Amino acid sequence: GAVVSQHPSRVICKSGTSVKIECRSLDFQATTMFWYRQFPKQSLMLMATSNEGSKATYEQGVEKDKFLINHASLTLSTLTVTSAHPEDSSFYICSALQGSNQPQHFGDGTRLSIL
Amino acid sequence: EDQVTQSPEALRLQEGESSSLNCSYTVSGLRGLFWYRQDPGKGPEFLFTLYSAGEEKEKERLKATLTKKESFLHITAPKPEDSATYLCAVQAWGGATNKLIFGTGTLLAVQP
Repeated sequence: GAVVSQHPSRVICKSGTSVKIECRSLDFQATTMFWYRQFPKQSLMLMATSNEGSKATYEQGVEKDKFLINHASLTLSTLTVTSAHPEDSSFYICSALQGSNQPQHFGDGTRLSIL
Repeated sequence: EDQVTQSPEALRLQEGESSSLNCSYTVSGLRGLFWYRQDPGKGPEFLFTLYSAGEEKEKERLKATLTKKESFLHITAPKPEDSATYLCAVQAWGGATNKLIFGTGTLLAVQP
């Protein structure tokens, strides 16, 4: 149980393109989902917390207009990287929370490469 | 400021050679400490949650323990398939609900 699916697994696109990443909880409802960014040999850095039906809460230094988050249902959250540039290239990972005293369950990440 | 430090950064073991990974934390009030395993190019896989000092959890060759300042992940008689990055994360009371603060991980390589 507690399976989180993230799609796509890899994206390569040109600078200026907007990219949408989906995160789905397959076998449970997730009132809260999280979006992380991970650089090589570094830990996961929380970008934003996404609550179903409300606006996402962004961490300090994360541009809201750059990284658009939508959590339209209890099983789906999306992250859109708008007008992506090479410095946005990274490994983006989502997680979903099954309940307030439960661990976060992670998707397998999206490798984003902007040329 | 809440902080998590993991050591060593990397560890190379021979198959069957037991060892421990360390996670030191500074947090205003510990709500929970989490251990995850991450394989290359994948998302973290949940292993354990510990809530209070003295608590221990076991799963196959792994055993996690917790004190008021640190947690250990003991690996007994490791096998090559245990090779991965092991991440520690803490959740604090009073902060943003359910937010996790991660350490930088320990890269474990088990050689046959």
